[in-house]
Amino acid sequence: NAGVTQTPKFQVLKTGQSMTLQCAQDMNHNSMYWYRQDPGMGLRLIYYSASEGTTDKGEVPNGYNVSRLNKREFSLRLESAAPSQTSVYFCASSEVDYGYTFGSGTRLTVV
Amino acid sequence: GNSVTQMEGPVTLSEEAFLTINCTYTATGYPSLFWYVQYPGEGLQLLLKATKADDKGSNKGFEATYRKETTSFHLEKGSVQVSDSAVYFCALRNSGAGSYQLTFGKGTKLSVIP
Repeated sequence: NAGVTQTPKFQVLKTGQSMTLQCAQDMNHNSMYWYRQDPGMGLRLIYYSASEGTTDKGEVPNGYNVSRLNKREFSLRLESAAPSQTSVYFCASSEVDYGYTFGSGTRLTVV
Repeated sequence: GNSVTQMEGPVTLSEEAFLTINCTYTATGYPSLFWYVQYPGEGLQLLLKATKADDKGSNKGFEATYRKETTSFHLEKGSVQVSDSAVYFCALRNSGAGSYQLTFGKGTKLSVIP
């Protein structure tokens, strides 16, 4: 089925470890996003990519980096994980005139 | 800047009750407005949207009307079902060039009991 695919679905990291969250979409959307969801905080934008070859910071970019590898793929990297980065991470894609399509999320725990 | 304020939950209703979830916003220009739904363990799904004042979005028995004069986009359903139990998010996106980002409210958890 068409949509946004995120991997992995679950991950446990130790403080200081690094990892990359992968995201791919097959809807030929230009824009892609990474959000984190925390209890009582709603969704907060980490980084976004308006089009292939561009990336910009969102509301909470500290501690993260992103790569827009091609039009389909947008990865999120944690270089040195901290307990404050324990969260559920969602990738999404869109065209400007339409709503977002979200992936099913990655539950990350940093111990 | 942009912001979205939703009524705090959780909201618990009996099956077939009437639902209203309030949403108000602050934005420059003429934003598009959205309601998303998140079922347990899943990502967010677009429920409905409205792109200009007085537009009514509707889907699956849910409705919301874009009220520019009161900067509101309240979600309503006449008769809720147990399967409507989920978290509902109101969101906005500004119009114009470069307007890619959605700003979300904090979400309202709805539980419907038989």
